[in-house]
Amino acid sequence: EPEVTQTPSHQVTQMGQEVILRCVPISNHLYFYWYRQILGQKVEFLVSFYNNEISEKSEIFDDQFSVERPDGSNFTLKIRSTKLEDSAMYFCASTERVRGPSYEQYFGPGTRLTVT
Amino acid sequence: KQEVTQIPAALSVPEGENLVLNCSFTDSAIYNLQWFRQDPGKGLTSLLLIQSSQREQTSGRLNASLDKSSGRSTLYIAASQPGDSATYLCAVLNFGNEKLTFGTGTRLTIIP
Repeated sequence: EPEVTQTPSHQVTQMGQEVILRCVPISNHLYFYWYRQILGQKVEFLVSFYNNEISEKSEIFDDQFSVERPDGSNFTLKIRSTKLEDSAMYFCASTERVRGPSYEQYFGPGTRLTVT
Repeated sequence: KQEVTQIPAALSVPEGENLVLNCSFTDSAIYNLQWFRQDPGKGLTSLLLIQSSQREQTSGRLNASLDKSSGRSTLYIAASQPGDSATYLCAVLNFGNEKLTFGTGTRLTIIP
């Protein structure tokens, strides 16, 4: 069964460093998402991406964040200058279509980001 | 703004019992609701998706119901097993949005 994959599974970085989290969505999917979950808190939406541009973003997704689809398979989240509060599990998701009652987002296993 | 709440936050039951997890949401203009399972430190596994026009969905020992007008969903787990121990999350997709809004989760422990 097709699945969303993410690399790395765990990333440790120092405050102020740039990190890139990578995702490979399901191959025929067109809509891509990033969510994050700070330890002990809710899963929060960060950004959605379609047709090579951001279609929706939350207030969390400020100028230090960016997303890109550099080729036909990868979808990346870049954090330019990491802060301690960026430590979280980051989930990538994808779907074939964006709206409709049968719409379902498929989630990857997550990347645990630890900022020291 | 959609708010999703799950009660209780934690639940412990003996193996073999049937149990119900609750999810409530404030904005009933939804496309659908999904239930997920999350094991400690792991990703999100989708369990069931209920479309807004449906009242329930079943998968094995799991049954999810949806009452959109009252803003509630329940996840019923029959004949619980220790392997069911995990955190269960519900999430809703609203009209006009692309994002899922997640609940706070219920941490379930099945006691052997």
